[in-house]
Order: sequence, then structure tokens, then C-alpha cells
Amino acid sequence: AQKITQTQPGMFVQEKEAVTLDCTYDTSDQSYGLFWYKQPSSGEMIFLIYQGSYDEQNATEGRYSLNFQKARKSANLVISASQLGDSAMYFCAMREGQLGNTGKLIFGQGTTLQVKP
Amino acid sequence: ETGVTQSPTHLIKTRGQQVTLRCSSQSGHNTVSWYQQALGQGPQFIFQYYREEENGRGNFPPRFSGLQFPNYSSELNVNALELDDSALYLCASSSRTRTYEQYFGPGTRLTVT
Repeated sequence: AQKITQTQPGMFVQEKEAVTLDCTYDTSDQSYGLFWYKQPSSGEMIFLIYQGSYDEQNATEGRYSLNFQKARKSANLVISASQLGDSAMYFCAMREGQLGNTGKLIFGQGTTLQVKP
Repeated sequence: ETGVTQSPTHLIKTRGQQVTLRCSSQSGHNTVSWYQQALGQGPQFIFQYYREEENGRGNFPPRFSGLQFPNYSSELNVNALELDDSALYLCASSSRTRTYEQYFGPGTRLTVT
């Protein structure tokens, strides 16, 4: 069965430093998608970055990059130059199903990130 | 382009009552998924609607039901509310042609007393 594991319940990082949030996944599908979302205390789920299982390059979106290691089944999120506004809960998720089928998202338990001034 | 919207923002109901939550999908998106997020947990998939039909369901009882309308907006209905139904309910809209897009609304926080 598909599963997402985030082993860091909480993380601290100093402002302007980089931080890596860990995510491992388990699936028997050859085609899948991996997502990272940010959830501030307000509750909205903000899309950060996406990596398709067939994408050869690691995804990047501004200060966010996804370190995709397919053989290890890991999809770690790297946030560079942390800002105070980055303090939030971060969720890794996997899209179940083949390309062309939006499929459901399976979420990890989340990692709370706190950025220190 | 308009984002995903949900209403109401907050809701308080009594055990045994029924509730309807609403979601308007992002422009250009024809698929709506609903998730339940209990406090301190990751979201759990309830079901998905595509072209007004249910297209996949998670491990939720039949008292959780939904609708999708021709304009792709959607409703989540929960009957016979239980205390454990207290959660943040999120809807996400997506497109079958751009599967990397899965955008969430701000959520409805439901409290059952």
C-alpha cells in the first residue's frame, strides 16, 4: 500500500539558513507524483513544489527544491535562505494513480518548522 | 484566474445533526477532491468527483456523501454527525490534463459538540 513517512515532527532553523525536511514514500506504482505543501496556522494548504516520477531533474521553485532520490524512495524538501514567514507545518504527499488520472493524495504526518530570528 | 474557495469558514454543529460544506474549484479545473484533517494529523482522502460522478472514495462511511455540479463546484454532506467528525475539511481542485496541479481551498473548520 502507498505510504508517506515524515520522521521529523518538529524542526528549528535559524533565519537565512537552509533546512531539509525529510520524506520517504512507498509505492509499487511506476508512475506517481510527489508534492510538498505548506500549512500555516490559518489552515490553508499552500502548494510548494511537484516532482513527477519520470522527471529526471530535481524540481525547483524559487527557494524550494526537491531532492528526489528514486532508488531510495525519498523526496526531501530543501528550503534555502529561511525566512520568518516559513514557520508552518509542511506536508509531503503522493498522488496515487497513473498519469492522466488525478488520483487521490496520500499525506504524511507533517513536520512543524520554526524559523528563529 | 480565481482560486479554490470554500464556505463556510467555521461551523459548530450538535451530534446527530447534518451539515453541508461547499467548494468552488479553480478556473479550468474539473475535478474536486475532499479531505478531512483531524488536529495534528495529515489530511485523509474522503472522495473525489469528476464530471459530476464519484471517482474514488477513501475509508469513510456512507453518511459522508457528495455532489458535483455542472460548473464543477461541489458539496460535501455529512449526516448523523459524531464528535470525531470535528476536523478541518479541505477541498482540492485539479485537472486531468495537468495532474501536477492540486490546489486546496482555505478549508472549513467543523466543530461537533
